[in-house]
Amino acid sequence: KAGVTQTPRYLIKTRGQQVTLSCSPISGHRSVSWYQQTPGQGLQFLFEYFSETQRNKGNFPGRFSGRQFSNSRSEMNVSTLELGDSALYLCASSLELAGAYEQYFGPGTRLTVT
Amino acid sequence: GNSVTQMEGPVTLSEEAFLTINCTYTATGYPSLFWYVQYPGEGLQLLLKATKADDKGSNKGFEATYRKETTSFHLEKGSVQVSDSAVYFCALSDRNFNKFYFGSGTKLNVKP
Repeated sequence: KAGVTQTPRYLIKTRGQQVTLSCSPISGHRSVSWYQQTPGQGLQFLFEYFSETQRNKGNFPGRFSGRQFSNSRSEMNVSTLELGDSALYLCASSLELAGAYEQYFGPGTRLTVT
Repeated sequence: GNSVTQMEGPVTLSEEAFLTINCTYTATGYPSLFWYVQYPGEGLQLLLKATKADDKGSNKGFEATYRKETTSFHLEKGSVQVSDSAVYFCALSDRNFNKFYFGSGTKLNVKP
C-alpha cells in the first residue's frame, strides 16, 4: 500500500497570505489528523477528521481550518499567515484495531512564512 | 489529563553501545503506547507499540515494555548503529479515541 502523501513538500509564503496543504491517507484509512511541529513547541495537535467531520480539535486559533472529502483526502488551510506559523505540518492517517488506534505519518509540508 | 514525559536529549553514544531512552506517562484508563522515530527532513515513522500492560513491542532491534505499575515505556536497543541517529518520540493514545499525546522527543546521535 502507498503511504500517506502530502503536497506540497515545501512552501514559502508572505505574512498575511493564506495557504492550503493537502494530505492523502493510506487507502482504507478514514481518519486524518494534522499536527504542527516546531523546534520550540514540539508536536502540537491541530485537528482530526473522520468521515468528512471534524471529530477532535486542538488549541489553535480559527485561522487554522480543515476539511475532509468523501475519498478521505484532507486539506488544511491557514489564513492571514503570521511569522510564527512557520513550521513542519504533518498529516497522519489512522487505522483502528479493536478500539486501539495507530497513526501513520506523511513526510510533512515545510511552511516558511517571511 | 494525559501526558508523556521523556528524557531530555541529545543522547550521544558510540556505535554498538546500549541505548535506553526513558519515557513515563500519565493517563486515565488503559492507553496504547508507541515509539516513533523521525529522521532528518522526514515525517514520523511508527517504530513499535504496545496496547496493554506487560506487552513488549519490538522492531529492528528496539524494544519497549508497557509497565503499568511504573507508568513507563522505556525504549532500549542492545547495540546502536550510526543509522539509528534520529529523534525518538514516545506517545500514548486513549483507547477508543483517536487522540495522541506526544513527548517532546529525544535526539540520538551515534558516533562511529
